[in-house]
Amino acid sequence: QVQLVQSGAEVKKPGSSVKVSCKASGGTFSSYAISWVRQAPGQGLEWMGGIIPIFGTANYAQKFQGRVTITADESTSTAYMELSSLRSEDTAVYYCARGYCTGGVCYRPEGDWFDPWGQGTLVTVSS
Amino acid sequence: DIQMTQSPSSLSASVGDRVTITCRASQGISNSLAWYQQKPGKAPKLLLYAASRLESGVPSRFSGSGSGTDYTLTISSLQPEDFATYYCQQYYSTPPLTFGGGTKVEIK
Repeated sequence: QVQLVQSGAEVKKPGSSVKVSCKASGGTFSSYAISWVRQAPGQGLEWMGGIIPIFGTANYAQKFQGRVTITADESTSTAYMELSSLRSEDTAVYYCARGYCTGGVCYRPEGDWFDPWGQGTLVTVSS
Repeated sequence: DIQMTQSPSSLSASVGDRVTITCRASQGISNSLAWYQQKPGKAPKLLLYAASRLESGVPSRFSGSGSGTDYTLTISSLQPEDFATYYCQQYYSTPPLTFGGGTKVEIK
């Protein structure tokens, strides 16, 4: 049973960066897809990007290209999402989620559907 | 990018009611659709994938159907624990994966 535990809440200044971690337990971390999804207050879900640790490369939503970096450390079974040049509109809960893929093996870093999800990390951007 | 449109955005229903939520894709997605349930302050929970496959442990009152661009999530007999917000998500054409705007199911 895979479990994902995220780092704690952050308060950041506009223009700064934030790095959120997602530690996995259970399963074979290196071979499954991990995606990051965010949710602004009172809003819907927005996919940001994903990675398969054993492949090392990530895919990102065009909206976040150049501002987001997703990495993974196989030795600690931890995925990271770093978002730079923060602005107030980036205030949101950020979730990591394990991606499952049709056919069972993931080749696309983003995966297909997600289960389970981490508990979420609130990032507040405020001057 | 494929746009996902859910309707209604909210609904009021009573315990025991049959509830249907619709998700329309901007182009055909060949059953590459997942549904999630989210309760306030909690992470989303997977209900169905491949449009109609029930995730293990999810009650059988939840079902999914559809084809092409139009899909539905049905709750056959609404229970008190089902009051939540529901999201659809396509994975046919990625990146990006895209979600619907959500449907909030409230108590009448």
